[in-house]
Amino acid sequence: DTGVSQNPRHKITKRGQNVTFRCDPISEHNRLYWYRQTLGQGPEFLTYFQNEAQLEKSRLLSDRFSAERPKGSFSTLEIQRTEQGDSAMYLCAIVDGLSYLSFGSGTQLSVL
Amino acid sequence: DAKTTQPNSMESNEEEPVHLPCNHSTISGTDYIHWYRQLPSQGPEYVIHGLTSNVNNRMASLAIAEDRKSSTLILHRATLRDAAVYYCILNTGTASKLTFGTGTRLQVTL
Repeated sequence: DTGVSQNPRHKITKRGQNVTFRCDPISEHNRLYWYRQTLGQGPEFLTYFQNEAQLEKSRLLSDRFSAERPKGSFSTLEIQRTEQGDSAMYLCAIVDGLSYLSFGSGTQLSVL
Repeated sequence: DAKTTQPNSMESNEEEPVHLPCNHSTISGTDYIHWYRQLPSQGPEYVIHGLTSNVNNRMASLAIAEDRKSSTLILHRATLRDAAVYYCILNTGTASKLTFGTGTRLQVTL
């Protein structure tokens, strides 16, 4: 088991709809990351939180994407007006100990 | 970020050792070498990391060249459950933003 729970595991939506994913660390962790992974590629960094503060955002995170971590515990990632190019696996990770990231199993998004 | 180069794919027989190479000729003095693996339909999983000396843990061993321009992840006895994509990543010693390449897809056969 990883230290991160992600819901839903799978999401199918129509183009133009809004979707929201949730990431729940099992215990308190200061740092939380979001990544995106498309087929055949390694995960790509999207954004990073230190407690409730969003400290860094990738240029991949367009205006249609917003992430929050309101109480420094769980986090949500919302995509507005989804496009087919948003189809990907969205991964959440927390810092486990000091030395490595622990990833959730991800949310697989399919935009039709 | 300093870049790593890995073979796209490798094959191994079950219960044999596997040596997964990684080249990182532009590594800086403060870069640690991290290895993660990703099983099908799962998020990446930490395997091992090191700076200069060889490292062992319950999952694998990491052999680092003396000039640090290459390293090898060693799985001592591959099992079918080790079939995954293995990523070699340069990063700081404490966990921070990781830059993944495309990794090496390891196939393990009976």
